[in-house]
Amino acid sequence: DIQMTQSPSSLSASVGDRVTMTCRASQSIGSYLNWYQQKPGKAPKVLIYAASSLQSGVPSRFSGSASGTDFTLTISSLQPEDFATYYCQQSDTMPYTFGQGTKLEIK
Amino acid sequence: EVQLVESGGGLVQPGGSLRLSCTASGFTLSTYWMTWVRQAPGKGLEWVANINQRGSEKYYVDSVKGRFTISRDNAKNSLYLQMNSLRAEDTAVYYCARDRTVFGVVLMDYWGQGTLVTVSS
Repeated sequence: DIQMTQSPSSLSASVGDRVTMTCRASQSIGSYLNWYQQKPGKAPKVLIYAASSLQSGVPSRFSGSASGTDFTLTISSLQPEDFATYYCQQSDTMPYTFGQGTKLEIK
Repeated sequence: EVQLVESGGGLVQPGGSLRLSCTASGFTLSTYWMTWVRQAPGKGLEWVANINQRGSEKYYVDSVKGRFTISRDNAKNSLYLQMNSLRAEDTAVYYCARDRTVFGVVLMDYWGQGTLVTVSS
């Protein structure tokens, strides 16, 4: 199975900050990479698909990029509602594995 | 409005069985792959299984192969997960999700609210 490794596991930041988190795949997955946001007690919500495409309805402060097997999610200016856990997921090869998550907390 | 509603969770003893259901509305179930994802308490997301539109292709994560069976009844707008030989490590919230393919990439664009399965004696 393809292993997805996210870093950091947790991150503290303030409203207005620019935040970046990373996901690394254990083998090449092309652009078959999605990012999800999950708030406590809620189902995940897709933010970015195909590494850099913004899901409809998601604010433009969210962006994604890719370089080889490394993928990055950037939030350009943190808003209070962005504090949550973020997961990457590969959809290149089944099982479609998730990373372990990055928890974004308020500083 | 697209909605997915899971049901069937509960407390079951180790070695027992449970059948989860996911009822879909607001879209035509028969035109989408569907997926089950689970989340153990305080842990991350784990992709469990998916099924194609006709139910002729099914894929599972290794940890549930031979114990879980995904199925669907498009006429009833329903997705199912039959779970047998349950173990403590199967304790989790189980979500159903709709798969959508864009630019060849599969993403889960709608999720249910989840149903909790607790395996304990």
